[in-house]
Amino acid sequence: DAGVIQSPRHEVTEMGQEVTLRCKPISGHDYLFWYRQTMMRGLELLIYFNNNVPIDDSGMPEDRFSAKMPNASFSTLKIQPSEPRDSAVYFCASSLGYGELFFGEGSRLTVL
Amino acid sequence: AQSVTQLGSHVSVSEGALVLLRCNYSSSVPPYLFWYVQYPNQGLQLLLKYTSAATLVKGINGFEAEFKKSETSFHLTKPSAHMSDAAEYFCAVNPQGANSKLTFGKGITLSVRP
Repeated sequence: DAGVIQSPRHEVTEMGQEVTLRCKPISGHDYLFWYRQTMMRGLELLIYFNNNVPIDDSGMPEDRFSAKMPNASFSTLKIQPSEPRDSAVYFCASSLGYGELFFGEGSRLTVL
Repeated sequence: AQSVTQLGSHVSVSEGALVLLRCNYSSSVPPYLFWYVQYPNQGLQLLLKYTSAATLVKGINGFEAEFKKSETSFHLTKPSAHMSDAAEYFCAVNPQGANSKLTFGKGITLSVRP
């Protein structure tokens, strides 16, 4: 299996621009997670889906962030408008349940 | 509610020395416990997991961890460190029977000196 695929791997943008991060989970996995990692705050869960339905979005920092999962093989995390404090590595992970997550390689976002 | 405590942020050992990374958990129900490793510029990958079977769990790359309910601990060990073990290590907890939401610790960076 190809594993969890994220794109882009690196994104540099200017404050105020829209950013869209993409994720393709492992086929057959019914849970999908979006995490954010920074030096200051560590690994934070932003949102997770089960069978394409958002279950818990309490970690989404504010209304500028939104996530969708239109089908079992694709998810997006959108930031609009972006701010410098959004600079981080964003990880997508998928799972069959009970905690064994498979992570993508991450999308490193820099907002200038 | 559940939580994980990883004391300290950095551990340094010599190559060939024992590796001991500490993790204490808090959970209102019997937990599933995990150790993940993150190499530079990569995502996290599972090292090992405890799911209420054997209390001593063996993982990849020679790592193992022991679940001690009385101490609410799940410390990670490796008898002999290798340079390639240098990475960040995360402990995580998930209540049994719950959904798949993991709670991660803050992570510990392991350095290995030649």
